[in-house]
Parts: sequence; C-alpha cells; structure tokens
Amino acid sequence: GAGVSQSPRYKVAKRGQDVALRCDPISGHVSLFWYQQALGQGPEFLTYFQNEAQLDKSGLPSDRFFAERPEGSVSTLKIQRTQQEDSAVYLCASSPQQAPGLGGTTQYFGPGTRLLVL
Amino acid sequence: LAKTTQPISMDSYEGQEVNITCSHNNIATNDYITWYQQFPSQGPRFIIQGYKTKVTNEVASLFIPADRKSSTLSLPRVSLSDTAVYYCLVGDRYYGGSQGNLIFGKGTKLSVKP
Repeated sequence: GAGVSQSPRYKVAKRGQDVALRCDPISGHVSLFWYQQALGQGPEFLTYFQNEAQLDKSGLPSDRFFAERPEGSVSTLKIQRTQQEDSAVYLCASSPQQAPGLGGTTQYFGPGTRLLVL
Repeated sequence: LAKTTQPISMDSYEGQEVNITCSHNNIATNDYITWYQQFPSQGPRFIIQGYKTKVTNEVASLFIPADRKSSTLSLPRVSLSDTAVYYCLVGDRYYGGSQGNLIFGKGTKLSVKP
C-alpha cells in the first residue's frame, strides 16, 4: 500500500516568503508528527496531531510556524516570513496508534521536503 | 531522559558483519530500545526494537545485555545498500514529548565499501 507522501519534495524560497508543506499520511493513521532535520543532525520534533487535534506543538521554533490537520488526514505545515535558519528537511510521520511512543509501536516517515531559504 | 551515545561513523566492507553499539546508562525500567535507519533523501525507517536479551528479524539482530545499559545492532553480511545513518532511540510510551514523539541523536553513519 501507499506510504506517507510529502509535497513538494524540494522548495526554494526567498527570505520573507511564506511556504506551505503538505503531508499525506497512511490512510487511517490516527497520529501524525512533524519533524525538522538540519543537515547532519537527527530529526527534531515539531508538533503532534491525534486525528484533527493538535495535542502538542512544543517543538515549533517560533510563532512563524503553524500546522493544521483539519479533517484528521492530510496535514499542512506553514512557515511564514521564512528565514535562512528555517532551511532544513521537514519530515512527516504517521502511526496507527494514539500517542505511539516507542513501546511496541513504530512511526512511518515520509521522504521529507527539503526547504532552502535564500 | 535516557541519553544515548553511539559512534559518529563506521566503515565496513561488503559481506562483513557490522555491529553498532549504543550506550544508554540511565535507561529506565519501562524503556524500550529501538533502531531506525535513514538513507539519504529519505525519512527514517524502523529496523528493530527490543526490551531485553536478543531480538532478531529479517533485517537485523539486537543484542541487549542483562543490565540494559547498552545495546548492539548487528547487521549480517552488509551490502553497499546498507550505507545509511543508524539511530538508537531509548524511551517508553511517554518518552520525550507527552505524546510519544521520537527523540533522535546524531546517529551512526555507516559506510559500506566494495
């Protein structure tokens, strides 16, 4: 079956421009996570959705970052007034469980969107 | 938080067995040990998970000693396609964020040479 898909795969933005990154999770998956991965680093948590509810947004680096999942399936991560430090790969992951964590569960990652802010 | 320490990089040759060790000295009773693999331009992919002793699947084996303060991911007979970054994660259902988000370190970059 289809895995997690993300679009666009690559995005180049001028500093100050707004961008929107899309995630299509595996159908029926309850949990959806967004992670940010800087070059040479591991992914870092941004935000978590359980169905349409955003239950944790503690990892969002600033109020320029906004995420939504209005119908509990597709999610969009929006970055307003992009800055050069926003350049990174943005990964989306989904899981069939609620609050999956590590104990006996797994998360399925998409290929990521590579954002370059000039 | 149970912090993990693993080598930054490792080199190997095709056909060899590769063992990557992860240290997690302050692992908690409820913590599981999980390994993810990440290829360039792809998201991380679950490899294996264990709690104690040994776990084996079609991809790898995970060895966990009795004190659980370390673990070793074993990849048998690696090929060029096993070149990737390998992450060791330790935690329970509520590890890190309250919703169970994964916490990655820098991982181990494995390079397999012909």
